Amino acid sequence: QTVVTQEPSFSVSPGGTVTLTCGLSSGSVSTSYHPSWYQQTPGQAPRTLIYSTDTRSSGVPDRFSGSILGNKAALTITGAQADDESDYYCVLYMGRGIWVFGGGTKLTVL
Amino acid sequence: QVQLVESGGGVVQPGGSLRLSCAASGFTFSSSGMHWVRQAPGKGLEWVAFIPYDGIYKYYADSVKGRFTISRDNSKNTLYLQMNSLRAEDTAVYYCAKGVGSAWSFHYWGQGTLVTFSS
Repeated sequence: QTVVTQEPSFSVSPGGTVTLTCGLSSGSVSTSYHPSWYQQTPGQAPRTLIYSTDTRSSGVPDRFSGSILGNKAALTITGAQADDESDYYCVLYMGRGIWVFGGGTKLTVL
Repeated sequence: QVQLVESGGGVVQPGGSLRLSCAASGFTFSSSGMHWVRQAPGKGLEWVAFIPYDGIYKYYADSVKGRFTISRDNSKNTLYLQMNSLRAEDTAVYYCAKGVGSAWSFHYWGQGTLVTFSS
């Protein structure tokens, strides 16, 4: 069974840049997996940040960007702000109508 | 603006059934693929099911296949999830989400409806 991997936790200083990654337990992530990224704070519904690798959802500031880095999908946050402190989830489309979430990354801004 | 409002959650007993609904507005529902996603308490997000705009094909996570049925009524702009043979591990907040892009990634989300179990 394919597992989508994410860093369990990450920390960044205010104003700093952080890159979260999304990989596969076996194989490389490419644009064919249509990686997407979601932000969630406790008690709230997820918010869509990025879909189709690098397309920013409406209203998402350009501090958030998506890409493929090496064999993983990546979400980069530049100029981190206090309210970026959240859980971040990636999703990969496996084809044949199957989507798989990563386990999520808890981002701390301090 | 896009609005998705889930309803139908509640307390059930193991082996019971429940039907969730998601009322959609602010976009052309009949042209959009739709998902159900769930989140168990303190856990991550899990994709549950997807239905394309025309409802002809339906797709499910292995964890719910054979027990859950996704459906839609385009005349009522409403998405459904019929959940049968419920198990304690189905306890979760269930979100509906509008799909976007060629791979129908999750785009807009509802606020969720909670399904819990009585002991």
